[in-house]
Amino acid sequence: AQKITQTQPGMFVQEKEAVTLDCTYDTSDQSYGLFWYKQPSSGEMIFLIYQGSYDEQNATEGRYSLNFQKARKSANLVISASQLGDSAMYFCAMRGAGNQFYFGTGTSLTVIP
Amino acid sequence: EAGVAQSPRYKIIEKRQSVAFWCNPISGHATLYWYQQILGQGPKLLIQFQNNGVVDDSQLPKDRFSAERLKGVDSTLKIQPAKLEDSAVYLCASSLDLGQGIYEQFFGPGTRLTVL
Repeated sequence: AQKITQTQPGMFVQEKEAVTLDCTYDTSDQSYGLFWYKQPSSGEMIFLIYQGSYDEQNATEGRYSLNFQKARKSANLVISASQLGDSAMYFCAMRGAGNQFYFGTGTSLTVIP
Repeated sequence: EAGVAQSPRYKIIEKRQSVAFWCNPISGHATLYWYQQILGQGPKLLIQFQNNGVVDDSQLPKDRFSAERLKGVDSTLKIQPAKLEDSAVYLCASSLDLGQGIYEQFFGPGTRLTVL
């Protein structure tokens, strides 16, 4: 069965510091995709970054990078130089071979000025 | 480019009543998803359409929930009759194959349902 686990319900980070949000996954599919989404208090889901299971290099998008460790089945999100606007819920998600998406329970990030 | 549209944004009903939500995906997106997001949880996939065919509805409570996507564009999700535990935000998303297996989903603003 496909499963996404986010073990950090809440995280705090000082402004301008880096923070890592953890995500582990479970799948028997050989081909899959891993995504991170941001959900501010306004409720919309914003796509941040994608990592394919066959990608050898870690994905990066601006201040976001994905630390992909395939053997450990982990796909941690690293946010560098945190900003106040980064305060939000962050969801890790996986696309399985059938293009279904599975989401984790989320991590609430608070950036402290 | 217009985003995913959903209506209504908010709905309050009493238990055992019926309710319907509407979603218009981004033009050209073949895949459409309906998610249920209960407060404090991650989105749970209810149903996934590829054009107007159902790809996955394994988590849709079919005794009370139904969904359709006529002509492979707009979609409606219906709950009949509603229960208290159906109170949630219902998110619609659409996606386009970006190649190399990348399926970025674009989400609508959601419909917040409160069942009293």
